[in-house]
Amino acid sequence: TQLLEQSPQFLSIQEGENLTVYCNSSSVFSSLQWYRQEPGEGPVLLVTVVTGGEVKKLKRLTFQFGDARKDSSLHITAAQPGDTGLYLCAGVQYSSASKIIFGSGTRLSIRP
Amino acid sequence: GAGVSQSPSNKVTEKGKDVELRCDPISGHTALYWYRQSLGQGLEFLIYFQGNSAPDKSGLPSDRFSAERTGGSVSTLTIQRTQQEDSAVYLCASSLVRQNEQFFGPGTRLTVL
Repeated sequence: TQLLEQSPQFLSIQEGENLTVYCNSSSVFSSLQWYRQEPGEGPVLLVTVVTGGEVKKLKRLTFQFGDARKDSSLHITAAQPGDTGLYLCAGVQYSSASKIIFGSGTRLSIRP
Repeated sequence: GAGVSQSPSNKVTEKGKDVELRCDPISGHTALYWYRQSLGQGLEFLIYFQGNSAPDKSGLPSDRFSAERTGGSVSTLTIQRTQQEDSAVYLCASSLVRQNEQFFGPGTRLTVL
């Protein structure tokens, strides 16, 4: 059972465009993380959001945690080729604090 | 300091053989996680260690999979009688305490022929 659904699965856009990636669940999470993974490497943490409604900015990336703590979004402004990669959201469940549930990922490609 | 390392980086084996995958976490990290990632997909949780004990083994897909951690450091994931569906990238991560930022190794790409 996939608890975290990410959309879109694939996205290819032109450099300079804006984009939003969504992470949705029917479950409530105590916190949610976003990772980026490049080929041949492990995922690298970008941000953790903890409070419902929380918004965090990391340069051109804006992360939001839904009010109900069931969903999150990642918005990239003026995408650059260096943003290319696999973006993964991951939720920490209240029922099992040791387990982090990963979404299926969004593969982003930015064309120069 | 050194990050999480995994060995081997690639492993090709024949169906039915046993394989051992090794993870060296960041020194001092008490929590260690194993995940499996199919081609270009998300991560599937396998097992979590706190020190040498594994309070959560719920993600292990079958009794052919086992893992141990010794000295609160190195961990080994063993897959017995490998099957073709075991082919994937196996990722290890460590963190200072549970729920904190996880630092991932580069993974071991396992191919079962």
